Amino acid sequence: DIQMTQSPSSLSASVGDRVTITCRASQGIRNDLGWYQQKPGTAPKRLIYDASSLQSGVPSRFSGTASGTEFTLTISSLQPEDFATYYCLQHNSYPLTFGGGTKVEIK
Amino acid sequence: QVELVQSGAELKKPGASVTVSCTASTYTFTDYYVHWVRQAPGQGLDWMGWINPYTGVTHYALKFEGRVTMTRDTSVSTAYLDLSRLRSDDTAVYYCARGDSSDYSAIGYWGPGTLITVSS
Repeated sequence: DIQMTQSPSSLSASVGDRVTITCRASQGIRNDLGWYQQKPGTAPKRLIYDASSLQSGVPSRFSGTASGTEFTLTISSLQPEDFATYYCLQHNSYPLTFGGGTKVEIK
Repeated sequence: QVELVQSGAELKKPGASVTVSCTASTYTFTDYYVHWVRQAPGQGLDWMGWINPYTGVTHYALKFEGRVTMTRDTSVSTAYLDLSRLRSDDTAVYYCARGDSSDYSAIGYWGPGTLITVSS
C-alpha cells in the first residue's frame, strides 16, 4: 500500500496567515492526489484535484503544488471559515489511501 | 449541484449485518463510480472500495474483503453497502462519494454520511 505521510498533524494560525500543509507519498503517484477540507460533523469537501487544479467554486486562496512525491496545500491568507481538518488522498493505486489529517486551529 | 442522499443512522449488535444506501439525484447514476469511505469517531478516513453502477463491477480494499458487499439498483439510482459480522471497531460514519468522470478513482462529491454504531 502507498503510505501518505501528512504534516503537521495540527497547527495554530491566525486569520491572514499563510498556511502550508504537506503530504509525502511512499512511492510515485504522478499527480493523482486530491486535497479535502472537513469541518466537524460534515462530509469532506474537495478543494484541489490532480494535485494542483482548483475545484470549481473553491476560493483562489487555496492552491496545490507537487514536486516528485511531495505535495503541498497552501492557504495564502487564512480566513475564519478555513479552520477545519485537511486531508490528502492518493488515487494512483489501490487501496486508495488518505493522509492522517491536519487540524488547523485558531491561534 | 451533485446530491447524494444516504440512509439514516443505525445501532447494531456485534455479529449483525448492516446495509447503508446512497441515492443519487441531479445526475445520471450509471455515469459515475460510487466509492465508500468510513471514518471512526475522532479518526481519519478509510477507503473501503467502489462500485461501477453501470456494470455492477466492484473493487474492495483487501482489509474489508469477505465482509463487505457493494451493490446497486439502477432503477432507483441507489448504491448499497453491506457490512457483515460487525464488530465494535466498525462504529463509524460511512460516506458514499462519487468518482470523477475523467478518472473514476478520483473522489469528488461526498454524501452526508451515515453513522453506524455497533454496541451490545
